[in-house]
Amino acid sequence: GAVVSQHPSWVICKSGTSVKIECRSLDFQATTMFWYRQFPKQSLMLMATSNEGSKATYEQGVEKDKFLINHASLTLSTLTVTSAHPEDSSFYICSARDPGQGWNGELFFGEGSRLTVL
Amino acid sequence: DAKTTQPNSMESNEEEPVHLPCNHSTISGTDYIHWYRQLPSQGPEYVIHGLTSNVNNRMASLAIAEDRKSSTLILHRATLRDAAVYYCILRVGSGNTPLVFGKGTRLSVIA
Repeated sequence: GAVVSQHPSWVICKSGTSVKIECRSLDFQATTMFWYRQFPKQSLMLMATSNEGSKATYEQGVEKDKFLINHASLTLSTLTVTSAHPEDSSFYICSARDPGQGWNGELFFGEGSRLTVL
Repeated sequence: DAKTTQPNSMESNEEEPVHLPCNHSTISGTDYIHWYRQLPSQGPEYVIHGLTSNVNNRMASLAIAEDRKSSTLILHRATLRDAAVYYCILRVGSGNTPLVFGKGTRLSVIA
């Protein structure tokens, strides 16, 4: 079946540095990908919709200058956490739909990337 | 997206059936009912979805009330690997809309 893969699985960085997380659709092309954030013991919170070849759409309260999203190809979207701070420590998850599975097909999720900012 | 209500947690014995309820009294006629689950430290995975009729697949069954205001996810024989948070989600619009997650039900399976 379709697979969405994220890299890295986990990353530890110093406060003030930037971290890039990649999300790839491995066997299908995704014009749209979604980025979520999940804090411990909480549900997933939608951060933004990543659109291939155009600007991402951010949810209310999500800083677009802090969470840079680039969807440069039909199989790759990246999320860059700029000037990371400890409060940005979280589990970041991407998802995408395989258009070949119909308009209401399942969304495939990546394995998640755990970011820890020291 | 219309709101769903699920119990915070449930417990089941291994190899017994589990019925996970979901209330969605404000569901509209075009909303599909989706179920996803999230195992610890992993991204969510699709379980099943339906519109009006009951649905079965290799993972589970979905029973939808006649008025569609509630549904039940049925795991026929719970295993330890089924311990996860189960999310009931109503999905509106086209396929390019995201899933909006509620709090879900944390299922514990006892050996």
